[in-house]
Amino acid sequence: KNEVEQSPQNLTAQEGEFITINCSYSVGISALHWLQQHPGGGIVSLFMLSSGKKKHGRLIATINIQEKHSSLHITASHPRDSAVYICAVRLLRDTDKLIFGTGTRLQVFP
Amino acid sequence: GAGVSQSPRYKVAKRGQDVALRCDPISGHVSLFWYQQALGQGPEFLTYFQNEAQLDKSGLPSDRFFAERPEGSVSTLKIQRTQQEDSAVYLCASSLPGNLYGYTFGSGTRLTVV
Repeated sequence: KNEVEQSPQNLTAQEGEFITINCSYSVGISALHWLQQHPGGGIVSLFMLSSGKKKHGRLIATINIQEKHSSLHITASHPRDSAVYICAVRLLRDTDKLIFGTGTRLQVFP
Repeated sequence: GAGVSQSPRYKVAKRGQDVALRCDPISGHVSLFWYQQALGQGPEFLTYFQNEAQLDKSGLPSDRFFAERPEGSVSTLKIQRTQQEDSAVYLCASSLPGNLYGYTFGSGTRLTVV
């Protein structure tokens, strides 16, 4: 069983829809990251969370430490949001390395 | 530099060939990480440096993989006698100590072993 699991694996949406991507983890963490990866491109860091909620533009990330669960929300989705969204956790017991989920591939159609 | 720079962007190697992948982190970022990302998968940890010290190399899949960061800035990931299963994108990331502000990733090197 992976230490970090994401759902769904693939997601399609119409422009303007509200999108939610979920991440569950089974280990103790010091922080959780949401990352965005475009095809052929590098990875962009969206959020780093250790508690509560963060908002940046149309993106909102929440984390529930007790339930070991985080969500990434995209409001008023746009085709340019199409990318792979990856959840990654920094372990409590370890070095600074990240453990990644397998990602959620999002396609937003006009 | 302004970001993490990786070179080459693409590398095709014949099976058995040695390759060297370079990562130039953000100036002042003491932490440097290498990850391997197979097609359709999330990145997997290979190794971690703090300055020139390699603190964790638990993710290196075999003794054919070797990483160094001799002066605490540029890092090189070397793969000897490449195999087809080494084909992947190799990502480098850097951060400040304690990862206070998150990570900055490079665009990766796509290695294809034929």
